[in-house]
Amino acid sequence: GENVEQHPSTLSVQEGDSAVIKCTYSDSASNYFPWYKQELGKRPQLIIDIRSNVGEKKDQRIAVTLNKTAKHFSLHITETQPEDSAVYFCAAITGYSTLTFGKGTMLLVSP
Amino acid sequence: DAGITQSPRHKVTETGTPVTLRCHQTENHRYMYWYRQDPGHGLRLIHYSYGVKDTDKGEVSDGYSVSRSKTEDFLLTLESATSSQTSVYFCAISDHRETEAFFGQGTRLTVV
Repeated sequence: GENVEQHPSTLSVQEGDSAVIKCTYSDSASNYFPWYKQELGKRPQLIIDIRSNVGEKKDQRIAVTLNKTAKHFSLHITETQPEDSAVYFCAAITGYSTLTFGKGTMLLVSP
Repeated sequence: DAGITQSPRHKVTETGTPVTLRCHQTENHRYMYWYRQDPGHGLRLIHYSYGVKDTDKGEVSDGYSVSRSKTEDFLLTLESATSSQTSVYFCAISDHRETEAFFGQGTRLTVV
């Protein structure tokens, strides 16, 4: 089955800095890569996703890049704000499987 | 927010007792999932359903069973709860495999 590795497990940045979270996946057939944000005590919620026919996608301060050859994808957050503090999960899926999540990255943004 | 509701939100139960968690959706989504979330392990799939009466095992299915007799309801049962099943349980729904999954509010289960 699919295996998703996520790094780092924790990330501390100063407000205004950029943050990058990286994930690798094992199944070359994976074709959908969502990112979820989970605030403390809340449910995970989708913040951005990318499909295998696209190399990069942006939504305001958030961007995701995908390198199919290397089987890795990354989440980039620019101009971080304290409200970006949360746990972020990457995930991958093929058309015949279910979402496999990484173990999560706790992002702490200090004012 | 997508129409997905989990009940109960919190439960404390004793080892060896049966427990059933309920997930109810009003979105008519085909897929429903049960995940457990534990520190250091992220979200792990227990079971999922791809239609009424159609279910399959996930990564950590031992000790759990599920049923889906209606499109809107997906039940997770712990036949005989153990302390290792203390966790936060999330239900999720999606229209297709490769689309956004919407999560419920979660159920915090403590087995003592």
